Amino acid sequence: DARVTQTPRDKVTEMGQEVTMRCQPILGHNTVFWYRQTMKQGLELLAYFRNRAPLDDSGMPKDRFSAEMPDATLATLKIQPSEPRDSAVYFCASGAAGTSSYNEQFFGPGTRLTVL
Amino acid sequence: RKEVEQDPGPFNVPEGATVAFNCTYSNSASQSFFWYRQDCRKEPKLLMSVYSSGNEDGRFTAQLNRASQYISLLIRDSKLSDSATYLCVSGSARQLTFGSGTQLTVLP
Repeated sequence: DARVTQTPRDKVTEMGQEVTMRCQPILGHNTVFWYRQTMKQGLELLAYFRNRAPLDDSGMPKDRFSAEMPDATLATLKIQPSEPRDSAVYFCASGAAGTSSYNEQFFGPGTRLTVL
Repeated sequence: RKEVEQDPGPFNVPEGATVAFNCTYSNSASQSFFWYRQDCRKEPKLLMSVYSSGNEDGRFTAQLNRASQYISLLIRDSKLSDSATYLCVSGSARQLTFGSGTQLTVLP
């Protein structure tokens, strides 16, 4: 049963600390997306990669957020320094671009981040 | 204006009722459309794709009207387990845009 995994599932940190979230996409998927979900804004796309190359990170606050894909099995999202307004659930999703269902996305369980 | 707009609800319906959700999208270049379901404190999961000809999956029927840029989801004979938030999604070649979701509670 292939699924996207994310770690940590929950993270509580203090303002100013660095936060790193990790995602393992479904094996064989070539697109990876990072979303942030809050009650107020809903699901917002932060960044996405295709074949490990960043295609769009316009949704991400550049001064503090960074997203990378060091290899095909790992995507990371870092926040440095973290702020209380970053508190949200961060979802990673993966998909298989180029197939008939090329932009169907499969979501991981999310990382619930609380910045105090 | 949001790119995908949905009535947030909540919709509270009795078991066995038929309920319909509507959604509009503003990007006329959108090529694909979906309904996702999200349970409380869980990740979104694909419920069904939406095609121009309309499509049905058991108790669920999805319709797309490209001229009006309108998507709908009909749930017949609703079950308690249908209680969730339903997210309307439009997609371009590169990415998906999610609506804020419509909350459904099916009551016993």
